[in-house]
Parts: sequence; structure tokens; C-alpha cells
Amino acid sequence: GAVVSQHPSWVICKSGTSVKIECRSLDFQATTMFWYRQFPKQSLMLMATSNEGSKATYEQGVEKDKFLINHASLTLSTLTVTSAHPEDSSFYICSADPTDTNSYGYTFGSGTRLTVV
Amino acid sequence: GQQLNQSPQSMFIQEGEDVSMNCTSSSIFNTWLWYKQDPGEGPVLLIALYKAGELTSNGRLTAQFGITRKDSFLNISASIPSDVGIYFCAGYGNAGGTSYGKLTFGQGTILTVHP
Repeated sequence: GAVVSQHPSWVICKSGTSVKIECRSLDFQATTMFWYRQFPKQSLMLMATSNEGSKATYEQGVEKDKFLINHASLTLSTLTVTSAHPEDSSFYICSADPTDTNSYGYTFGSGTRLTVV
Repeated sequence: GQQLNQSPQSMFIQEGEDVSMNCTSSSIFNTWLWYKQDPGEGPVLLIALYKAGELTSNGRLTAQFGITRKDSFLNISASIPSDVGIYFCAGYGNAGGTSYGKLTFGQGTILTVHP
């Protein structure tokens, strides 16, 4: 079945630094990937839709200059949290689906726990 | 935007009991999904529903897509300790509007199973 791999699973960084999170589709190609953010005991909130070969589409209220998304290949999307601050600490999750089906983003990665100190 | 109301927020049950949770929406979704999330992990798809009125089972799990396409429920029968986790409903917005092509999640139901 479709497998989405996310790396790293957790990261601790200093305030003001940037952190890159990778989302890979291991056994399929994905023209579209999705990035979510989840705070403790809360639901998943869609941040942006990552489109291979074009600009990402950001949800209302999400700063595109803060959360840089790159989808340079059909198997890799990256989310870079720039100039991270403690309020950016959260659980970030990506999702994707094979391009030969409608890309609903049903398959999720295992998430990345970001802690900014 | 579209919102899903999921209830209950939490459940504390004894092993062996049946569980029921549901989601309602103010607008129509053409696809309903149920996920389970373990601590520190991403959600795992349990059941996907594509047709109004559809009733689908996956082992001890049963889910139904409401006739109005604005609601869905998930039942877990004979619960076991490994059922512990957070269960989310999600609607796929392929009916147009700002939610088109995106998943909208319910608030989640935290399930605790006592042995």
C-alpha cells in the first residue's frame, strides 16, 4: 500500500533558526501533498497544499514566508519553518496519495514533533 | 468554512463494551473518512465512505455515511485495550467551494479502554 515517510520524527531547535521537514512518498508518485499542523489535544489543521513543480497553496492565516514549501519532485515535499519561535512548536504532519488515483491525501506520514526553545 | 462537529469529545469504557461516535456537518461532503491516531503518530485511515447511505465494516469497526451526506457514525464492537487513541472523522470537500479538494477534520474523540 501507499506509504508516506516523514523525517525527522522530532526536532528541537533554538529560537530564530530554521528547520526543514521532509515528506516522501516511498512507493508511489504524488503530484499533490498536504501539510497539517496539530496542537496538543486538538484536531489537524490544514496549512497548505504542496503542488509538484508549482507554488504551494496556503490556507488563510498561514504565513507563506514563514512556512516555506518546496515540492521539487513527485516523491518529495519539504516544509521549512523559518526563524522559528516557541509558538511554532507543534506536531506537523504531511499526507499524500498516488497520482493514478484522485489525490485526496488520505495517507499520512508519522508526523514531526517540533520544539522551539 | 466547513466544520465538522464530532461527539463525544472523550469516552471512558470497559474492555468488551461497544463504542459509538458520530460527526455532523452543516454542509454536504461527498466522502467521509474515519481515522485513528496514536500518540506521536500520524492518523491511520480506518474506513472510507463514498456513497450516501453506505454501511461499511472493517473487522470490529462499522461506519455509515448518512443519507443526507451531512453526517456519519463509527461503531467499535467488543473494545480491546489497543483501541485506545484519538478517533477523527474527516470529510472530503469535492462539492466545490473553498474546501474543494481538501480534508476537513472533526475535533476528535479520545477513547480510553479500561482492562
